[in-house]
Amino acid sequence: KQEVTQIPAALSVPEGENLVLNCSFTDSAIYNLQWFRQDPGKGLTSLLLIQSSQREQTSGRLNASLDKSSGRSTLYIAASQPGDSATYLCAVEGGANNLFFGTGTRLTVIP
Amino acid sequence: DGGITQSPKYLFRKEGQNVTLSCEQNLNHDAMYWYRQDPGQGLRLIYYSQIVNDFQKGDIAEGYSVSREKKESFPLTVTSAQKNPTAFYLCASSEGRRGEETQYFGPGTRLLVL
Repeated sequence: KQEVTQIPAALSVPEGENLVLNCSFTDSAIYNLQWFRQDPGKGLTSLLLIQSSQREQTSGRLNASLDKSSGRSTLYIAASQPGDSATYLCAVEGGANNLFFGTGTRLTVIP
Repeated sequence: DGGITQSPKYLFRKEGQNVTLSCEQNLNHDAMYWYRQDPGQGLRLIYYSQIVNDFQKGDIAEGYSVSREKKESFPLTVTSAQKNPTAFYLCASSEGRRGEETQYFGPGTRLLVL
């Protein structure tokens, strides 16, 4: 069964720093990998989706990469801002539209 | 304003009681999903439906039931057979094209046991 791991579990950085969040998965037979943001007590907001044939996707200050063969993805956040503080979740899509989620990285950006 | 709504925001269940969580979407999506989120764990799939009048069990379906009588609605019933129902429940929808598009999530319902 697919297992998704996110490291670190929590991260605190000063405002303006660039940072990298990591995601790894055990089964490389995926349709896509997605990064979501979750604010406390709220639903998930989709940030980036990388299809299995792609290597990276970019949206504004966010860049996500995918190395399917090694089972790894990174989310790069440039010039972090206090508004980026949230939990970031990685998910991979397997068969039957199932998403397998990691446990998330809780990011705090200190003003 | 398109999106997914879930109600109520908070729900309290008494011992032995069945409760139903509502999920409605006006995105014209074919597929809908229910997830459960517990502290320190990733989201886990309870049930999903790819089309009206059809649904499949996810990883943790025991103690839950669903229906999909309308495209816009996918209610989840937490039955008395679910012995540990306290969690944050998230509903999602998508167009159902595998691998190509993301799922859109509602704001969630927090279920607490009295």
